[in-house]
Amino acid sequence: EPEVTQTPSHQVTQMGQEVILRCVPISNHLYFYWYRQILGQKVEFLVSFYNNEISEKSEIFDDQFSVERPDGSNFTLKIRSTKLEDSAMYFCASTPGNRGRGAETQYFGPGTRLLVL
Amino acid sequence: AQKVTQAQTEISVVEKEDVTLDCVYETRDTTYYLFWYKQPPSGELVFLIRRNSFDEQNEISGRYSWNFQKSTSSFNFTITASQVVDSAVYFCALSSQGGSEKLVFGKGMKLTVNP
Repeated sequence: EPEVTQTPSHQVTQMGQEVILRCVPISNHLYFYWYRQILGQKVEFLVSFYNNEISEKSEIFDDQFSVERPDGSNFTLKIRSTKLEDSAMYFCASTPGNRGRGAETQYFGPGTRLLVL
Repeated sequence: AQKVTQAQTEISVVEKEDVTLDCVYETRDTTYYLFWYKQPPSGELVFLIRRNSFDEQNEISGRYSWNFQKSTSSFNFTITASQVVDSAVYFCALSSQGGSEKLVFGKGMKLTVNP
């Protein structure tokens, strides 16, 4: 069964460093998402991406964040200058993108646990 | 704005007990979708169910059942005859139709099933 994959599973970085989190969505999916979950808290929406552009972003997704689909398979989240409060689990999700059929089920990757020291 | 409330933060039961996880939502949309996800200790988010706002029929899948009541804006989840493997954090989530269809999650409810 196709699944969303994410790399790395864990990343430790120093405050101020740049990190890139990678996701490979399900192959025929067209809509991609990033969410984050601070330890012990709820899952929060960061950004959605469709047709090579951001379709919606939350107030968390400030200028330090960017997303990119560099090729036909990868979807990346970049944090330019990490802060302590960026420590969280980051989840990627994707849907087929068949609009008009109702809100589709989002299938999540296993997550990347980011620790900023 | 959309909101999902899971009032219970943590429940502990003994194996074979039935347990109900509550979810109350707020939205101004007439068309919306409700979801439940399970997050086991390993951390991944596992999809359990998707329900649209026009379908108020209860659903049963094995030991799992869902009760959608539009009148009370609730979408409760019951596990019958709980097992240790059911131990996880369970999230209720809400999405509108159209736009990015982002998910708005509740805070989650940690279920511990003891042998």
